[in-house]
Amino acid sequence: DIQMTQSPSSLSASVGDTVTITCQASPDITKYLNWYQQKPGKAPKLLIYDASNLESGVPSRFSGSGSGTDFTFTISSLQPEDVATYYCQQGDYLPFTFGPGTKVDIK
Amino acid sequence: QVHLVQSGAEVKKPGASVKVSCKASEYTFNNYYVHWVRQAPGQGLEWMGRMNPSGRSTSHAQRFQGRVTMTRDTSTGTAYMEMSSLRPDDTAVYYCATPREPFSGSGYHTYWGQGTLVTVSS
Repeated sequence: DIQMTQSPSSLSASVGDTVTITCQASPDITKYLNWYQQKPGKAPKLLIYDASNLESGVPSRFSGSGSGTDFTFTISSLQPEDVATYYCQQGDYLPFTFGPGTKVDIK
Repeated sequence: QVHLVQSGAEVKKPGASVKVSCKASEYTFNNYYVHWVRQAPGQGLEWMGRMNPSGRSTSHAQRFQGRVTMTRDTSTGTAYMEMSSLRPDDTAVYYCATPREPFSGSGYHTYWGQGTLVTVSS
């Protein structure tokens, strides 16, 4: 199975800050990396698919980049409603494994 | 837009089976791959498996092989996930999910059910 790691496991930032989460895959997954946001008690929400494509309706402050084994997810101006846990997921090889998640809150 | 509605919470004893349903609001649900993802309390997301539009082909994560059966009833537009030999560590919220596009085997999940809590306890 593809192994997914994320860092950091949690972070605290101020409103308006730029937040960056990294995800590593082993082995290479080309561009097939997705990012989800999950708020407590809710189903996950797809934000980014295929590394850098913004899902319809998702604010443009969310972005993704990377390829191969190293990927980055960025929130360009953190908002209070962005408090959530963020997961990466590889969609290249079955099983489609998720990363362990990054919990984001407001300082 | 596809809205997925799952069956209600279940409480089961160890060793029992549970069957969770996932029904779509759109008849074209029959054209979508259906994935199942679970989340134990306070834990992360775990991809369990997927089923193709016809229901004739399924893929499971190795740890669920032999214990999880995914099926669908195309006449009612409902997908099912049945898990047998339940253990306390199967206690989790189980989600169904599909990609945005019909007939897409892509690994991203655009539409999600609301989740079904399955509690396994003696």
